[in-house]
Amino acid sequence: DTGVSQDPRHKITKRGQNVTFRCDPISEHNRLYWYRQTLGQGPEFLTYFQNEAQLEKSRLLSDRFSAERPKGSFSTLEIQRTEQGDSAMYLCASSLWRGDSYEQYFGPGTRLTVT
Amino acid sequence: AQKVTQAQTEISVVEKEDVTLDCVYETRDTTYYLFWYKQPPSGELVFLIRRNSFDEQNEISGRYSWNFQKSTSSFNFTITASQVVDSAVYFCALSVRGGSEKLVFGKGTKLTVNP
Repeated sequence: DTGVSQDPRHKITKRGQNVTFRCDPISEHNRLYWYRQTLGQGPEFLTYFQNEAQLEKSRLLSDRFSAERPKGSFSTLEIQRTEQGDSAMYLCASSLWRGDSYEQYFGPGTRLTVT
Repeated sequence: AQKVTQAQTEISVVEKEDVTLDCVYETRDTTYYLFWYKQPPSGELVFLIRRNSFDEQNEISGRYSWNFQKSTSSFNFTITASQVVDSAVYFCALSVRGGSEKLVFGKGTKLTVNP
């Protein structure tokens, strides 16, 4: 069990550029979640996948954001035309059914800074 | 809608003191889960505990203990004989059974343990 990994760990980009983040979940976990955490706040849910299907998107996920999970393995989160308000930590979590609920395990996050 | 409130923004203690982190939640669902996560300065969220709404037994794990009281909608976390390594931001979170089971986080409590 190597844990959830995310790449890159840090990204600095200029406003208006596109960025893409990758998340590799724990191998047997069928659910994958994306959260966003701004400074001084708790993480906020963005979207989740069950295998390859994206089943729910938060209203925080504007049209500039898109997430994919081809083949139900790794996932990518793309932000187009970045804005300064997109600066945040983007966290990925994967989960497995534990008999009565899903228990989520988080990756180290990707810290995005938009200048 | 679900809500988690952590009224204590920051707590500072001296090593070996006991400290309690408060968590109050709101939900209309009858089946839900409560969690505590630790976020050290490195940024990764570390899972500490999960409790389901039908299990009000208190739990102890080493120096950590949790007090779940449905009557007051609280799920408090106590660290006994705190250590410098306990310094981190602690998040309480809630998810409801079914659907995404996304986590709804409080704003976190920053704990500083001074030597």
